[in-house]
Amino acid sequence: DVKVTQSSRYLVKRTGEKVFLECVQDMDHENMFWYRQDPGLGLRLIYFSYDVKMKEKGDIPEGYSVSREKKERFSLILESASTNQTSMYLCASSSMGAANEKLFFGSGTQLSVL
Amino acid sequence: AQTVTQSQPEMSVQEAETVTLSCTYDTSENNYYLFWYKQPPSRQMILVIRQEAYKQQNATENRFSVNFQKAAKSFSLKISDSQLGDTAMYFCAFMKTLSAGNNRKLIWGLGTSLAVNP
Repeated sequence: DVKVTQSSRYLVKRTGEKVFLECVQDMDHENMFWYRQDPGLGLRLIYFSYDVKMKEKGDIPEGYSVSREKKERFSLILESASTNQTSMYLCASSSMGAANEKLFFGSGTQLSVL
Repeated sequence: AQTVTQSQPEMSVQEAETVTLSCTYDTSENNYYLFWYKQPPSRQMILVIRQEAYKQQNATENRFSVNFQKAAKSFSLKISDSQLGDTAMYFCAFMKTLSAGNNRKLIWGLGTSLAVNP
């Protein structure tokens, strides 16, 4: 089974801190995604990547950056955390062009910025 | 722009009964994919069922089936013989036919919270 692993399940940070959220997948997927999930707002795409060193902005990239130096790892970076970035962050991966393409998700990181 | 609407924020059903979750979408595309994802309290989002728009036959996965009405742009999920483990948030999602780059992203509904009661 595909496994998408997010490094932390819960994280508490201070305003202004630099925050790294790590995501690793073990199925050689080309595509990787970062979403944030907020009550009443559903899932919103922050950034995605369809190849190493490639990245594209999603719907809400402001305040975030990403890094994909290796195919299996996709990192989300909050350069200077703010309280409005308190949220659930979900990482996902998928295989490009697969006949049965679907997203595989991690278990999420609940980030609280105080 | 594509949109996905789930008109039922919350639903409940008795164990062993059948429940239908609604989803409508708006698109000018002719070929696309539709998905239902489930997010239980454990937070692990998993795919429930997937439908290709060019297929007229409704997709089925065990107790889960869809009613895909392309002309009406409707994609409802039916859960038969509901089980306690079906308690979860259910998300409907849309994606254009396989293509590169920015076209690959899913458009998500806001979700329906389903409670299965014993």
